Amino acid sequence: KAGVTQTPRYLIKTRGQQVTLSCSPISGHRSVSWYQQTPGQGLQFLFEYFSETQRNKGNFPGRFSGRQFSNSRSEMNVSTLELGDSALYLCASSSWTGPNYGYTFGSGTRLTVV
Amino acid sequence: SQQGEEDPQALSIQEGENATMNCSYKTSINNLQWYRQNSGRGLVHLILIRSNEREKHSGRLRVTLDTSKKSSSLLITASRAADTASYFCATDAFSRAQKLVFGQGTRLTINP
Repeated sequence: KAGVTQTPRYLIKTRGQQVTLSCSPISGHRSVSWYQQTPGQGLQFLFEYFSETQRNKGNFPGRFSGRQFSNSRSEMNVSTLELGDSALYLCASSSWTGPNYGYTFGSGTRLTVV
Repeated sequence: SQQGEEDPQALSIQEGENATMNCSYKTSINNLQWYRQNSGRGLVHLILIRSNEREKHSGRLRVTLDTSKKSSSLLITASRAADTASYFCATDAFSRAQKLVFGQGTRLTINP
């Protein structure tokens, strides 16, 4: 099956800038969720979208936002970047029907804030 | 915040030996999943066990779930060098929204 595609793979940004990450889910998956992975905090849930609606949000500041388009592709945006935002950002698409049952993760976007 | 703890945090064994990793969680769950991650790359789904299941097998993997103790274990038999990776358990609670809560992970090293 075609996987979840995240772009870009690597990104270097300066403090104070903003960044947009993209995630294309598996065809037919309507749910897309985002996770942040850091050495200190591990894997933490950011938010989940289903049919263009945010259904759940993790405990992150308002600088972290996202959206989902009608084709289920999702973007997440981080404004006013801080050094602590350096992390691997993973998205997952999920479906609980059909052959692609469960969660599938992308390869991630490695964000470095300098 | 993390749902649970994984034990051990790091495990180093010889190729061919079995590796066992444990995971504990805190709240009621719908299912529990195990993932593998190689060198900070994406997560690869290994196996899902539902809350009404006690044991599940997939190839060299065996997962058990004890909901009364809120714990799970992952056994990898006949380990190979390619099994070297970090392993994470993740719980999926009863919720309309899709949200996984991960443990801190076990770093497994297979020595040739």
